[in-house]
Amino acid sequence: DTEVTQTPKHLVMGMTNKKSLKCEQHMGHRAMYWYKQKAKKPPELMFVYSYEKLSINESVPSRFSPECPNSSLLNLHLHALQPEDSALYLCASSQDRGREREKLFFGSGTQLSVL
Amino acid sequence: TQLLEQSPQFLSIQEGENLTVYCNSSSVFSSLQWYRQEPGEGPVLLVTVVTGGEVKKLKRLTFQFGDARKDSSLHITAAQPGDTGLYLCAGYSGSARQLTFGSGTQLTVLP
Repeated sequence: DTEVTQTPKHLVMGMTNKKSLKCEQHMGHRAMYWYKQKAKKPPELMFVYSYEKLSINESVPSRFSPECPNSSLLNLHLHALQPEDSALYLCASSQDRGREREKLFFGSGTQLSVL
Repeated sequence: TQLLEQSPQFLSIQEGENLTVYCNSSSVFSSLQWYRQEPGEGPVLLVTVVTGGEVKKLKRLTFQFGDARKDSSLHITAAQPGDTGLYLCAGYSGSARQLTFGSGTQLTVLP
């Protein structure tokens, strides 16, 4: 199994809603990532988890709250988002040792629209 | 902040033509990856280059890492419509433990 599975694939939410994005992998990877990608732009790193602990937060607003309940799951909780937060949210995973840390496997993403 | 510049930003060619995409930086990276992304999907890893001067081939795709490990190129021979997509280079910094993506090259191969 070399897949990173993200749900839902599409999400429309209002600015007062609370929603969560989910990501799952069964490759035994111990590093998991959230990226945000605007149309026709490269992905931008948001958060990195290493062995279920938050290791990097790229100064992301608190309306985005990540959670890593176990080594296979990664969530992104959303609350009081703004229309400019509309984007493709990508989850990725990698091994967390040596050179393998540098090869990321991405999910298909959640296309989020904030109205 | 480490920056990776890709050129060209957009490329539209006819099926059967050859092309080269460039990825340049002033920073040294411990490795460089190339990804291809289709609309509404996540990036798919094509190759990782690690050693300065390294050349890797993947069917019609040839990847090269610069001697100084600051730049890379992707050459496609006899492009096909199935090669259409957003090509992203990404450099890994061991010190920052982060992958930095290039600005991307949108390739369209017309039948």
